[in-house]
Amino acid sequence: VQLVQSGAEVKKPGESLRISCKGSGYSFTNYWISWVRLMPGKGLEWMGRLEPSDSYINYSPSFQGHVTISPDKSISTAYLQWSSLKASDTAIYYCARHSGTSWYMDVWGQGTTVTVSS
Amino acid sequence: DIQMTQSPSSLSASVGDRVTITCRTSQSISNSLNWYQQKPGKAPKLLIYAASNLQTGVPSRFSGSGSGTDFTLTISSLQPDDFATYCCHQTYITPWTFGQGTKVEIK
Repeated sequence: VQLVQSGAEVKKPGESLRISCKGSGYSFTNYWISWVRLMPGKGLEWMGRLEPSDSYINYSPSFQGHVTISPDKSISTAYLQWSSLKASDTAIYYCARHSGTSWYMDVWGQGTTVTVSS
Repeated sequence: DIQMTQSPSSLSASVGDRVTITCRTSQSISNSLNWYQQKPGKAPKLLIYAASNLQTGVPSRFSGSGSGTDFTLTISSLQPDDFATYCCHQTYITPWTFGQGTKVEIK
């Protein structure tokens, strides 16, 4: 069972970006996926969660409108995307799996480092 | 949002020490509290779920307790592999929130 995330990205402010998280070794539609941000020197922040089987998405108010979470269940992949990056989006982004009844995150991706700099 | 207050923010301990980390929440969350370990450059690792349940594969020196607003993570005998940052996480209500972390360093 693993979640494999796409590689590190270096972008300029205003650019768009989509990062991915591919699940394997389990039934992708049986578990939710959450995205979590880790900014330099800060604690973890929950961004939102996705139910892949019906594409239900629940955003944290802190991230609503700033990012888009989406699934492609045909390839067992979840996405996190930005339409216009800011320098403050510089962080490590993790995806993590959890069930729909027990919300603890038992499997995590390796993290994707996003650097936004002019 | 539910605020999570972890203490201490850091501690120095020796191999073999008993270590206790606390997490206090701004409102009651029943037992909807998880603990993670994170090492530099690595993803968080689940240690304890639902306040007191040991995740499969995690050494039994780790234990969790508490309910309501006060929770504790205990490492009964600190091992070299345990030097890391530990954080609590509530899943009682969205937006889910995390504690700021406790860094456990070598004395």
